Amino acid sequence: QQPVQSPQAVILREGEDAVINCSSSKALYSVHWYRQKHGEAPIFLMILLKGGEQKGHDKISASFNEKKQQSSLYLTASQLSYSGTYFCGTESEFRGAQKLVFGQGTRLTINP
Amino acid sequence: DTEVTQTPKHLVMGMTNKKSLKCEQHMGHRAMYWYKQKAKKPPELMFVYSYEKLSINESVPSRFSPECPNSSLLNLHLHALQPEDSALYLCASSHGWTGSEKLFFGSGTQLSVL
Repeated sequence: QQPVQSPQAVILREGEDAVINCSSSKALYSVHWYRQKHGEAPIFLMILLKGGEQKGHDKISASFNEKKQQSSLYLTASQLSYSGTYFCGTESEFRGAQKLVFGQGTRLTINP
Repeated sequence: DTEVTQTPKHLVMGMTNKKSLKCEQHMGHRAMYWYKQKAKKPPELMFVYSYEKLSINESVPSRFSPECPNSSLLNLHLHALQPEDSALYLCASSHGWTGSEKLFFGSGTQLSVL
């Protein structure tokens, strides 16, 4: 079941903040976040496994709510390099191999 | 070496052709994946190999045939494709196969079927 991402697109000025949400109707086994620039490979950002978990590095962080049905990605003081499409990937249960289902993506544009 | 290498980068083929996509990693990863990505859409899982054995086949048509000759290589054999199969084909690998594994993606093969 595909997770729902919101918003679909965001346009920011450099230095502004953004929040991208990823929701599921069922409790999730894991949530992954990736960023993909046009014509390039998706790049891993982080994985969250535990309800209530928060993770971050540099100015990008993410949270996983207690019910494990929603995750949010936070981008603070955005830089031009943050532009790209952000995907959350989720698993509702582990079935012996990793099977990520990606949300439809959030296109982030950072302007100078 | 922390890269997943895919060849070719671009491929144009007719509907009667047979071609293969190749993927290679030398990170000692034991799980490898094929994803298909249409323009402005998310990657969609096609196949998962764990320890060189096919673990997941997402009901992919038989005109796509995966092969994992060894732990470093993953192939996708293509035969009698349709124009709607035109897409970016991404290979990925991960150290293990549980739900907590970071995926390393290759840059993909952009496939056009005429």
